[in-house]
Amino acid sequence: DAGVTQSPTHLIKTRGQQVTLRCSPKSGHDTVSWYQQALGQGPQFIFQYYEEEERQRGNFPDRFSGHQFPNYSSELNVNALLLGDSALYLCASSGPGSNQPQHFGDGTRLSIL
Amino acid sequence: GENVEQHPSTLSVQEGDSAVIKCTYSDSASNYFPWYKQELGKRPQLIIDIRSNVGEKKDQRIAVTLNKTAKHFSLHITETQPEDSAVYFCAASGGSYIPTFGRGTSLIVHP
Repeated sequence: DAGVTQSPTHLIKTRGQQVTLRCSPKSGHDTVSWYQQALGQGPQFIFQYYEEEERQRGNFPDRFSGHQFPNYSSELNVNALLLGDSALYLCASSGPGSNQPQHFGDGTRLSIL
Repeated sequence: GENVEQHPSTLSVQEGDSAVIKCTYSDSASNYFPWYKQELGKRPQLIIDIRSNVGEKKDQRIAVTLNKTAKHFSLHITETQPEDSAVYFCAASGGSYIPTFGRGTSLIVHP
């Protein structure tokens, strides 16, 4: 049973470019959340997708957008990249119901030059 | 919104000692409190969680306690081993379903 998988593992971009990160949730999970983790910090919530809709959003600008597909997989898109967007982007999935344990993927390390 | 404070930021212990990490939260509606362990370069892994209808939960060498009145919860690791060395994050969530994470505690266990 595969856990949460993310791709790519590493990515290097330049300022102004856009990027798409991908996530496949753990089998049986229907909810996907995205987090940004800067070095030495805890994960910061970006947004959560459930039933192909954005259910909750954290304090991130509109440059950050996402999508969830019918098979529950998800994408995170970031436009007009800034140096400050350099971070580890983590995807977490959880099962049906409120406040279910979240299972994280290995993350995508995004570096902006 | 929820605010989670975590202390200490760094904790250094000798192998075999106990380690305690403490967190406080601000939203009285929070009812789910997971703890994650993150080794260098790896994903956060859920190690234990507790819900607000329980005051304490144990799993082998790990235990978590919750004081709803004081709005704080703690992680206790007994008989620490070098492989316990990692960054530990607490989190709290409630009606919004979204966990708010603490800033992490770097635990170093010296052999």
